Amino acid sequence: GNSVTQMEGPVTLSEEAFLTINCTYTATGYPSLFWYVQYPGEGLQLLLKATKADDKGSNKGFEATYRKETTSFHLEKGSVQVSDSAVYFCALSEARGGGSYIPTFGRGTSLIVHP
Amino acid sequence: EPEVTQTPSHQVTQMGQEVILRCVPISNHLYFYWYRQILGQKVEFLVSFYNNEISEKSEIFDDQFSVERPDGSNFTLKIRSTKLEDSAMYFCASSRLIDTEAFFGQGTRLTVV
Repeated sequence: GNSVTQMEGPVTLSEEAFLTINCTYTATGYPSLFWYVQYPGEGLQLLLKATKADDKGSNKGFEATYRKETTSFHLEKGSVQVSDSAVYFCALSEARGGGSYIPTFGRGTSLIVHP
Repeated sequence: EPEVTQTPSHQVTQMGQEVILRCVPISNHLYFYWYRQILGQKVEFLVSFYNNEISEKSEIFDDQFSVERPDGSNFTLKIRSTKLEDSAMYFCASSRLIDTEAFFGQGTRLTVV
């Protein structure tokens, strides 16, 4: 079945450091890929998405490229801020047999940014 | 901007009691979901709902759970007899079409005591 594997956290960085959070996936077909962010005490918010191979999703300085050859969708940001401290979830969605469709999430990676 | 709304934001209940968690999905969305997140753990799929019926459910979604779309706007999750281990954040989500992103509500924190 479908699955998403993320690097374990927490990732601890100083402000303005470069961020990479690795994500790889397993899917039977051609999924859409997403990054969601969960700020402390809040729900899940879509951060960015990519719907086909080689697409780059970007938002708020974050970006991720859909790499079909390596089945990866790593999240990057050139210069993190304290306000980026949150839990980041990689997710995929794919049409399944019978018309069902279920977004599948990774375990989440906690990012802590120090001033 | 349209959003998924969930009520209540926090529910405390005694073990063995029934709870109903409520969600109003985005109005033109066709697919609805419930997920849960036990504190500090991953987001787990519970159930998906399409065309007024369950399209898929996980092994977590046993006979204690049920979902309903009682009218054109609400989507509810009922837990018949709550257990301590049901304590979690429950997220409702909806998506417009197959293979589009799911929009999540803010969640209902359920505490079973």
